[in-house]
Amino acid sequence: DAGVIQSPRHEVTEMGQEVTLRCKPISGHNSLFWYRQTMMRGLELLIYFNNNVPIDDSGMPEDRFSAKMPNASFSTLKIQPSEPRDSAVYFCASKVGLTQGIQETQYFGPGTRLLVL
Amino acid sequence: AQTVTQSQPEMSVQEAETVTLSCTYDTSESDYYLFWYKQPPSRQMILVIRQEAYKQQNATENRFSVNFQKAAKSFSLKISDSQLGDAAMYFCAYRSAYSGGGADGLTFGKGTHLIIQP
Repeated sequence: DAGVIQSPRHEVTEMGQEVTLRCKPISGHNSLFWYRQTMMRGLELLIYFNNNVPIDDSGMPEDRFSAKMPNASFSTLKIQPSEPRDSAVYFCASKVGLTQGIQETQYFGPGTRLLVL
Repeated sequence: AQTVTQSQPEMSVQEAETVTLSCTYDTSESDYYLFWYKQPPSRQMILVIRQEAYKQQNATENRFSVNFQKAAKSFSLKISDSQLGDAAMYFCAYRSAYSGGGADGLTFGKGTHLIIQP
């Protein structure tokens, strides 16, 4: 079974440009999470969805960031306009749902390394 | 809010030896989950081991085991018979057992860089 798929794997862009990161969760998983990893702040939760509905976006740094999940197999994280401080690795993760127990494990994608010049 | 602390930025161990990575956390909740994730140079986050707080028995996965001390809020990872492939960043993570709000996301420590000496 395929794992979480993210694209692109690497993105280099110039300040002010729009950036769109994509994620395909594991089939059958109902919860999807976006994390950001930087040297200064480590791994931070940005937003997560359950059954395509955003549950908590309190981690989204500012209005320049937006995320959507139009269907169960696709999510996007958009930054517009991008700034150099947005440079980071962005991870998408998914899990079975908001149930407890063994379903608690989140499976991570390979990440997108974003560099904003 | 919960916090996770990994006090060892870097650890080094000889191949085939045993190493223990430390993790402490702060929470007022009684039910939660704890995880260790491994991040090799490829940056892929790989689950190593998982522990449910309501279970007294420490989790084990082959060469990996944890020492879970709930009262002390400590969750250390022991790697036995260290192998070169174990070299990576290791992250301790906390997840509330309660759903809703930001509780469903993982709270990570800053990580420990594990070096394996051949």
